[in-house]
Formats: sequence, structure tokens, C-alpha cells
Amino acid sequence: QSVLTQPPSASGTPGQRVTISCSGGSSNIGSNTVNWYQHLPGTAPKVLIYSDYQRPSGVPDRFSGSKSGTSASLAISGLQSGDEADYYCAAWDDSLNGHVVFGGGTKLTVL
Amino acid sequence: QVHLVQSGAEVKKPGASVKVSCKPSGYTFTAFHIHWVRQAPGQGLEWLGRINPNSGGTNYAQKFQGRVTMTRDKSISTAYMDLSRLTSDDTALYYCARGLENSWLDPWGQGTLVTVSS
Repeated sequence: QSVLTQPPSASGTPGQRVTISCSGGSSNIGSNTVNWYQHLPGTAPKVLIYSDYQRPSGVPDRFSGSKSGTSASLAISGLQSGDEADYYCAAWDDSLNGHVVFGGGTKLTVL
Repeated sequence: QVHLVQSGAEVKKPGASVKVSCKPSGYTFTAFHIHWVRQAPGQGLEWLGRINPNSGGTNYAQKFQGRVTMTRDKSISTAYMDLSRLTSDDTALYYCARGLENSWLDPWGQGTLVTVSS
């Protein structure tokens, strides 16, 4: 069972906007920033959003992140077939001498 | 351009140990942590720990304490992850990744498949 909670699945049609939630606690999301990763089959995970809402260069502005309290969200607008992947949230957790915690992952299907 | 290149696939018997290497290029090796993350078949991402290549200091996930050892060789700019007392549950794709501020991981290595089977 993951420390951060994500819905196991999400779906949308091309062009739609979808949101993926990530719920944590005071020792992780509540006191540290959230990062989001995209994991396409057969490839290494890639960071989409870091420090709650920042986008690395090369990541389209269709991807956006937000955070409030102990929850965070990833929004994908203008959904494309190439967005079909697993998405993970992650954050540093201050408990137990510090460690990284991941969400269980959300499989996004583009219908 | 920053790259992390990992060692090749391994097949181990239960009870054995495995050592995976990770060689970054394109930046100063000692400037950033190296994290290790794994994904078992059909499962999500799981963090094993991180090493500070400059000091050698480590943080391990509680689940792997006593079984994982992360080291580095500064002379050849390579990080290592050693996992002992392997069981079939350790069959997974193991990734290393550079850790930036607030522990966002970028980029990731290509992954090393470790299969534990009798």
C-alpha cells in the first residue's frame, strides 16, 4: 500500500482535460514539494512536473500541477493518444530519517 | 547532455546478492544524489534509497534496511546498489536516477532487470 494515494485509473477522449489526484499527509505533501512522473511502457520514467507546478524544459504546457495542503493534482489538457501512460506522484517524506514516497500510479487511457 | 547508464540484466538464485552499477555522464558526479527505484512486474514505483556521491552518505527505505547497500567509486564516477538475500519478490526492473533539489529525479537510467529464480 502506497503512502501517497492516487486513483488506479483515469480516462478521457482526445482533446479533453483530465485530472489526476494525489493525497498524502503532513510529513510528505504537507511539508515538501510534489513531483510528477510519466512512465510509458518500455521506457524509463520521465519527470513532468517538479516542485509542485514547475515544468522542465521540453514538457508541453498542456501538463500542469497544483497543490493544496496535503493533496496535489496533475492536469492534462488537450489530451492526445501519446499521453496514454502511467503517472506517478512523489514527494520527500520527513519521517523515518527521510525518504521518497511514491503514489501507486494512475493508468491513463485515451479512449 | 546528462545520461545515466546502468549495468546489464542479472539472473540470481534465491538467497544470493546482486550488484547493479550506474554511471552518469554530462555533469559533475559528486554534485547530486543518486537515487535507486524499482518496479516489480505489474506494480508501481518503489524507492530503495539514495547516496550522496560526494560524502558517501546514504538514506535507505525502511523496508530495505539491512539488505541494501549503496556505494560509489568517485575515481570512476560510478554508483552501485547491492541487494542481498534475494527472493522472488525482488524480481524487478531497477532504475537509478539523479536527484535534484526537492528530490525530483531527472534523468533516469535505462533500467536493469533483475530476475530471481531457482
